[in-house]
Amino acid sequence: DTAVSQTPKYLVTQMGNDKSIKCEQNLGHDTMYWYKQDSKKFLKIMFSYNNKELIINETVPNRFSPKSPDKAHLNLHINSLELGDSAVYFCASSPLPGTQETQYFGPGTRLLVL
Amino acid sequence: GQNIDQPTEMTATEGAIVQINCTYQTSGFNGLFWYQQHAGEAPTFLSYNVLDGLEEKGRFSSFLSRSKGYSYLLLKELQMKDSASYLCAAPFGGYNKLIFGAGTRLAVHP
Repeated sequence: DTAVSQTPKYLVTQMGNDKSIKCEQNLGHDTMYWYKQDSKKFLKIMFSYNNKELIINETVPNRFSPKSPDKAHLNLHINSLELGDSAVYFCASSPLPGTQETQYFGPGTRLLVL
Repeated sequence: GQNIDQPTEMTATEGAIVQINCTYQTSGFNGLFWYQQHAGEAPTFLSYNVLDGLEEKGRFSSFLSRSKGYSYLLLKELQMKDSASYLCAAPFGGYNKLIFGAGTRLAVHP
């Protein structure tokens, strides 16, 4: 059974399009995250939700909008895609919020904007 | 401020021991993580240190010195499958925000 799953795994799209990435976790965790890993392999936190409530909102363009319909799902919608959005986007979850919690990562979504 | 530094690349021989260092500058530090990431895959948890000293877990051990802002990951009896990036990560400034280093890419050769 997949613990943290993401769809799609690959996403190739044109500049200016709008796209969504979905994430689901079946671990019963309360907290979920979105990270961006760029070509230099830096893994940077974007957003975090705890039980559907936004708790971390880093400095990202407002073209990125997360949504958590329930605590097992966290989606990421991106409007007006730009070339610089090309990266791998990882979803993660942890049992609780708090900086001592181990995070479990999904397989990643490889986004390429042309 | 917040900063995590680790070497970009390392190479080692199968069967050998390698130490990957990580230094950090932080506010509100309360523990340090090591994650392993194979190429094209997700990061996976290796270790978490909150107290000073060495924590051993099989072939992998992790060390922390809070006063020096320093940690290392020690990999023994290296295997080819240990070729991966090793990410040092520490929480900063409060609520559940994990900051990752750029990762150390380890290549294990026969």
